[in-house]
Amino acid sequence: TQLLEQSPQFLSIQEGENLTVYCNSSSVFSSLQWYRQEPGEGPVLLVTVVTGGEVKKLKRLTFQFGDARKDSSLHITAAQPGDTGLYLCAGEGGGGSNYKLTFGKGTLLTVNP
Amino acid sequence: DAMVIQNPRYQVTQFGKPVTLSCSQTLNHNVMYWYQQKSSQAPKLLFHYYDKDFNNEADTPDNFQSRRPNTSFCFLDIRSPGLGDAAMYLCATRLPGHSYGYTFGSGTRLTVV
Repeated sequence: TQLLEQSPQFLSIQEGENLTVYCNSSSVFSSLQWYRQEPGEGPVLLVTVVTGGEVKKLKRLTFQFGDARKDSSLHITAAQPGDTGLYLCAGEGGGGSNYKLTFGKGTLLTVNP
Repeated sequence: DAMVIQNPRYQVTQFGKPVTLSCSQTLNHNVMYWYQQKSSQAPKLLFHYYDKDFNNEADTPDNFQSRRPNTSFCFLDIRSPGLGDAAMYLCATRLPGHSYGYTFGSGTRLTVV
């Protein structure tokens, strides 16, 4: 069974602060995806990282894939209340399962004005 | 425009009464998935189709069945819903290839009374 450990599980910060969410596994994944989910809605894809060591930026969000393709991080700079939501990391392709996505438990982020 | 559409958004069913949830996509993606997400938990894969090939997860109860009559539609049938089956059910699609993320529908919130 492939496991993705995501931390922290809950995060409450003030507007303007920076934060980092971590996603770790003992499995190697061919890609790592980050999603944001709002209450009552499906997850929305933020980014896919494929290459070990890859860094992608999406405005104030920076995503990094570990060199060994086992871990990833999401860094948000100057968080805003609109960033509030559940952030999910998900790995694909570990253990020969090319078309199955394994999710972490998620990080529930609250950004207070 | 929504590309993965789930109907209904909210479904209330009686204990033991069969219920069908539907998913349609306009993306012509080969792969379609059904996930179950309980409150404050990560989505859990139930099964997926690669074209017409059906792939069931080992721990998906027999109570859950699926049909994919064509590329655009996929159905989740719960033969005898129990109270523990109350959850958000998410449909997702994707194209094969590691660079592609998943497109999720908005989900169906199932309540069992």
